[in-house]
Amino acid sequence: AQRVTQPEKLLSVFKGAPVELKCNYSYSGSPELFWYVQYSRQRLQLLLRHISRESIKGFTADLNKGETSFHLKKPFAQEEDSAMYYCALIPAGNMLTFGGGTRLMVKP
Amino acid sequence: NAGVTQTPKFQVLKTGQSMTLQCAQDMNHEYMSWYRQDPGMGLRLIHYSVGAGITDQGEVPNGYNVSRSTTEDFPLRLLSAAPSQTSVYFCASSYSFRMNTEAFFGQGTRLTVV
Repeated sequence: AQRVTQPEKLLSVFKGAPVELKCNYSYSGSPELFWYVQYSRQRLQLLLRHISRESIKGFTADLNKGETSFHLKKPFAQEEDSAMYYCALIPAGNMLTFGGGTRLMVKP
Repeated sequence: NAGVTQTPKFQVLKTGQSMTLQCAQDMNHEYMSWYRQDPGMGLRLIHYSVGAGITDQGEVPNGYNVSRSTTEDFPLRLLSAAPSQTSVYFCASSYSFRMNTEAFFGQGTRLTVV
């Protein structure tokens, strides 16, 4: 069965510091990987997907199949990045599977 | 453009009561699903549907029922509420299950069972 692990429940950084939110997955096939974000009082929304190789709001994530990881990175954190971040995967023909989430707090 | 609409936003139930959480989407999406969000456990899939008339169980289906009579609606029924069902419930929809499909979420229903 597939599993997504986010080892940090809380990550606290100062504004301007680099951020890395860790995500590891276990799945025997080739999954599709996503990062979803939930800002305070807002609904969960897609941040980025690995297949697009895009940078959204300064965040990037690289799929490392050897390490089965999909860490989310941003070189300079902003206060507005404070939110709950969820890593998720879609195994072939199935539904989104989420990790436990990491709360990012960016201090001024 | 409403997207995914959940009602109610908040609910308090007594143990043993039943209720239905409503979910509707106006994007003509095939896939709809229900998740519960608990601290430290992320979002766990309760039930999902791949189209009208088709439903299946997710990771934590016990105590919940679903039906999908139309493309737009996917209600979640709690048969006999228990304190362990205190959680935030999210409904989501997506165009298909195929790869790279974005899921759209409702604003959530915060349920407390006392």
